[in-house]
Amino acid sequence: DIQMTQSPPSLSASVGDRVTITCRASQSISSNLNWYQQKPGKAPKLLIYVASSLQSGVPSSFSGSGSGTDFTLTISSLQPEDFATYYCQQSHSTPYTFGPGTKLEI
Amino acid sequence: EVQLVESGGGLVQPGGSLRLSCAASGFTFSTYWMHWVRQAPGKGLVWVSRINSDGSSTTYADSVKGRFTVSRDNAKNTLFLQMNSLGAEDTAVYYCARGEVTRSSWFFDLWGRGTLVTVSS
Repeated sequence: DIQMTQSPPSLSASVGDRVTITCRASQSISSNLNWYQQKPGKAPKLLIYVASSLQSGVPSSFSGSGSGTDFTLTISSLQPEDFATYYCQQSHSTPYTFGPGTKLEI
Repeated sequence: EVQLVESGGGLVQPGGSLRLSCAASGFTFSTYWMHWVRQAPGKGLVWVSRINSDGSSTTYADSVKGRFTVSRDNAKNTLFLQMNSLGAEDTAVYYCARGEVTRSSWFFDLWGRGTLVTVSS
């Protein structure tokens, strides 16, 4: 199975900050990497697919990059509604493993 | 409205069984591959299983293989997860998710709200 890691596990930031979350795969997954946002008690929400494509309706402050084994999610200017947990997921091969999550806190 | 709504969760004893349902609406259910993802309390997301659009092909995580069965009824726009031999480790919120593909890469673009399964005596 492909193992996914994320760093940092948690991150404290302020409104207006630029933040970057890193995701690493245990083997090359090409661009088969997705990012999800989850708020407490809610379902995950797709933000970025195929490493860098912005899902419809997601603010352009979110962006993704990377290929192979190393990927990043960047939020260019944090808004109050962005404080949540973020997960990366590989879809290169089943099982479609998720990273452990990065909790973004105020 | 495009949505997925899970049901069927609840409290079950160890070794018991439960059948989850996921009702789809607002889109052509029969053309999409579907997935189950679970999340234990306070933990991360874990992919559980998938089924192709006509139900002829299924895949499972090793942790549920042989115990869980995914199926679908395209006439009723419903996805199912039959869970047998349940253990405490299966306690989680179970989400159904719609699979979408672009450039041969899969992602989950629509999620239900989830249904909680608690395995306890």
